[in-house]
Amino acid sequence: GDSVTQMEGPVTLSEEAFLTINCTYTATGYPSLFWYVQYPGEGLQLLLKATKADDKGSNKGFEATYRKETTSFHLEKGSVQVSDSAVYFCALRTAGNKLTFGGGTRVLVKP
Amino acid sequence: DTAVSQTPKYLVTQMGNDKSIKCEQNLGHDTMYWYKQDSKKFLKIMFSYNNKELIINETVPNRFSPKSPDKAHLNLHINSLELGDSAVYFCASSQDRHSQPQHFGDGTRLSIL
Repeated sequence: GDSVTQMEGPVTLSEEAFLTINCTYTATGYPSLFWYVQYPGEGLQLLLKATKADDKGSNKGFEATYRKETTSFHLEKGSVQVSDSAVYFCALRTAGNKLTFGGGTRVLVKP
Repeated sequence: DTAVSQTPKYLVTQMGNDKSIKCEQNLGHDTMYWYKQDSKKFLKIMFSYNNKELIINETVPNRFSPKSPDKAHLNLHINSLELGDSAVYFCASSQDRHSQPQHFGDGTRLSIL
């Protein structure tokens, strides 16, 4: 079945460091891919998305490129801030408009 | 002006009890969802309703029963609560059954003593 694998956290880094969170997926066809972010005590918010191969989603300095050949959708940000501390979820849209999520990666940015 | 609101935010109860979680969305969306997030943050869909009709029913114990009185509301009733039901439950909605993104509520943390 469809599945999403993302790197386990926590990822701890300093302000202004470069962030990469790896995400790979298994799915039939060409699903839409998403990154959601969950700040402490809150629900998930859509961070960015890509609907087809080679699409690049971007928002708030974060980027991710839909790579069909490697079935990946890695999240990157060039210079993180303390306010980026959160749990990040990679997800794909499967049949029935269901979202299948990865296990989440906790990111902690220290000043 | 919360788009997707859930009540209560926290729920602490004993094993064997019956409890409900309510969800309301004011986005005018047709489709609503329930997700369960376990202690390791793993998030899994449980149910989805489209315009009051059940369209997704994952492998969930039948102690869990969703109810949608209208398309703006999707409540989750849980009978005979067990320790393993402890989790954060998230409600979400989308424009329709084919659309993304889904908009999430802030979650209900259920703790079973």
